[in-house]
Amino acid sequence: KAGVTQTPRYLIKTRGQQVTLSCSPISGHRSVSWYQQTPGQGLQFLFEYFSETQRNKGNFPGRFSGRQFSNSRSEMNVSTLELGDSALYLCASSLVWGGPEDGYTFGSGTRLTVV
Amino acid sequence: GENVGLHLPTLSVQEGDNSIINCAYSNSASDYFIWYKQESGKGPQFIIDIRSNMDKRQGQRVTVLLNKTVKHLSLQIAATQPGDSAVYFCAETHPGNQFYFGTGTSLTVIP
Repeated sequence: KAGVTQTPRYLIKTRGQQVTLSCSPISGHRSVSWYQQTPGQGLQFLFEYFSETQRNKGNFPGRFSGRQFSNSRSEMNVSTLELGDSALYLCASSLVWGGPEDGYTFGSGTRLTVV
Repeated sequence: GENVGLHLPTLSVQEGDNSIINCAYSNSASDYFIWYKQESGKGPQFIIDIRSNMDKRQGQRVTVLLNKTVKHLSLQIAATQPGDSAVYFCAETHPGNQFYFGTGTSLTVIP
């Protein structure tokens, strides 16, 4: 079956712009989580959505937002981009909760570069 | 936030040797732990998990050990192969909470 699909794979944006990233979960998975990965900080949790509702949120500023659609696809948006937002953004999907027992699978990520 | 750390940022081993990657966590309420492998250009891939009611779990060539007393987790890879070269992350969570990931250990296998 198809895995978690993230688009686009690479993105270059200018400071001050906004960006929207997309994540299509594995068919049947209802939970989508987003992470920011940087060399110095590792994987930092952004938020998790389940059935179109944000269920958990990490410690990121309000410039980072997300949503989930009725088909479980999710988008995350970053407004007023800063250089420090350059990172690999990963999403993971799972059936219900968010553990590998539940099929917690990562996508390949979107590499965002802010210049 | 949680403090999930790895003892060494890099590890080099000879092909065929065993590898041990360590991880420390700080939240005594954590009851579920996972090891992930991330190859260049790919997302993290699940390797093995363990619940807090166990102290050891074995998979194919991998073993995870959990010491709740000192809040320490380790991943052992037997007969390390070049394809094992990657960054390895530990992650921990407890019910209703998010996953917390360590910063990763880069494993290099020398042929």
